[in-house]
Amino acid sequence: KAGVTQTPRYLIKTRGQQVTLSCSPISGHRSVSWYQQTPGQGLQFLFEYFSETQRNKGNFPGRFSGRQFSNSRSEMNVSTLELGDSALYLCASSPKEGKGQPQHFGDGTRLSIL
Amino acid sequence: QQQVKQSPQSLIVQKGGISIINCAYENTAFDYFPWYQQFPGKGPALLIAIRPDVSEKKEGRFTISFNKSAKQFSLHIMDSQPGDSATYFCAASNHAYSGAGSYQLTFGKGTKLSVIP
Repeated sequence: KAGVTQTPRYLIKTRGQQVTLSCSPISGHRSVSWYQQTPGQGLQFLFEYFSETQRNKGNFPGRFSGRQFSNSRSEMNVSTLELGDSALYLCASSPKEGKGQPQHFGDGTRLSIL
Repeated sequence: QQQVKQSPQSLIVQKGGISIINCAYENTAFDYFPWYQQFPGKGPALLIAIRPDVSEKKEGRFTISFNKSAKQFSLHIMDSQPGDSATYFCAASNHAYSGAGSYQLTFGKGTKLSVIP
């Protein structure tokens, strides 16, 4: 079974631009979560989508948004990029059924803001 | 407010030794406690997870010990190998067992483990 796929792997942007990151979950998984990883703050939850609906949102500004499509693929968008948005953005997927099902992470998109 | 505190920040262990990483949580609603292993350039990979109704879980060389009253849990890596050198994260979530609600994970800050030959 293929794992979680994130594209692109690396991205360089400048301040003020916007960016869209993509995530394809494991086949059959319907929940997709996004996390931001930085050396200073560690892994922080951005938001979770399930069946195309945002189910939960972390403490990030409105510049961070996302969506999920009917095939469970998800995108996250960051507008008006700031230097502090430089981070590794991780996507994780989980199936709906089964209690205690773990989240499986992709290898992330490394976003660098110049 | 950091809801999951992890220690130590870094750890150096001799090959064959025992690596111990500790975590403490504050939110008593947490009901699922996984540990993740992350290598440079890779995403976190699930190692082992425990539920609060179990005090210990072992999978191969990896063991989680859980103390519900103290709100603490720890990862023990027996017979540590150089290939275990990675960053380890503890995490916690709630509602994972309800079949509904969010799968949001709250992570500790991570422990960089170095196993020297």
